[in-house]
Amino acid sequence: DQQVKQNSPSLSVQEGRISILNCDYTNSMFDYFLWYKKYPAEGPTFLISISSIKDKNEDGRFTVFLNKSAKHLSLHIVPSQPGDSAVYFCAASPPTAGNMLTFGGGTRLMVKP
Amino acid sequence: KAGVTQTPRYLIKTRGQQVTLSCSPISGHRSVSWYQQTPGQGLQFLFEYFSETQRNKGNFPGRFSGRQFSNSRSEMNVSTLELGDSALYLCASSQPGGFGEQYFGPGTRLTVT
Repeated sequence: DQQVKQNSPSLSVQEGRISILNCDYTNSMFDYFLWYKKYPAEGPTFLISISSIKDKNEDGRFTVFLNKSAKHLSLHIVPSQPGDSAVYFCAASPPTAGNMLTFGGGTRLMVKP
Repeated sequence: KAGVTQTPRYLIKTRGQQVTLSCSPISGHRSVSWYQQTPGQGLQFLFEYFSETQRNKGNFPGRFSGRQFSNSRSEMNVSTLELGDSALYLCASSQPGGFGEQYFGPGTRLTVT
């Protein structure tokens, strides 16, 4: 069973507009959530994270929102840039096992100039 | 600082053989985790080592094993290779106390024929 799901395999956005990537999870034990970005032939790169005690975390153009009651998180990228084109993975970890990440299937973001 | 390095980058093995993959973490990082990425199952956690001890383990058969040395370098071994073991194997390292904020290497692409 997939405990972390990204239901949109791909997303296309115009440069300068907002990109919203979504992620749902089923395991209520997860208390830490992360977003990673992956370019071809490279390993994933950490982007931003959020603890379950918060509902929002911001870092420059990237903001992650967490809705615990809906078991849903989203990543907002504003404004989107062509260099943001990559595969984005959300990941989650349970308490006391911070490096034991469960990943979603990924969403391929394409930002068009 | 040098990033996470993995060797070899590409490997072709025959069914039934065994293989050893190597990972050198970022200097100062004591936690090393291994992940398997396949088109069908996505990114899946294999195991994590910290201070030469396995700290967490994913849901993989005993054919998959690992170890960590006193300099934090890690190896993973897969015995009796199966066709389904063909995958990208990613290693990630993190600082003590880093909650899932892992730094990934470029991966080793294993093909089993």
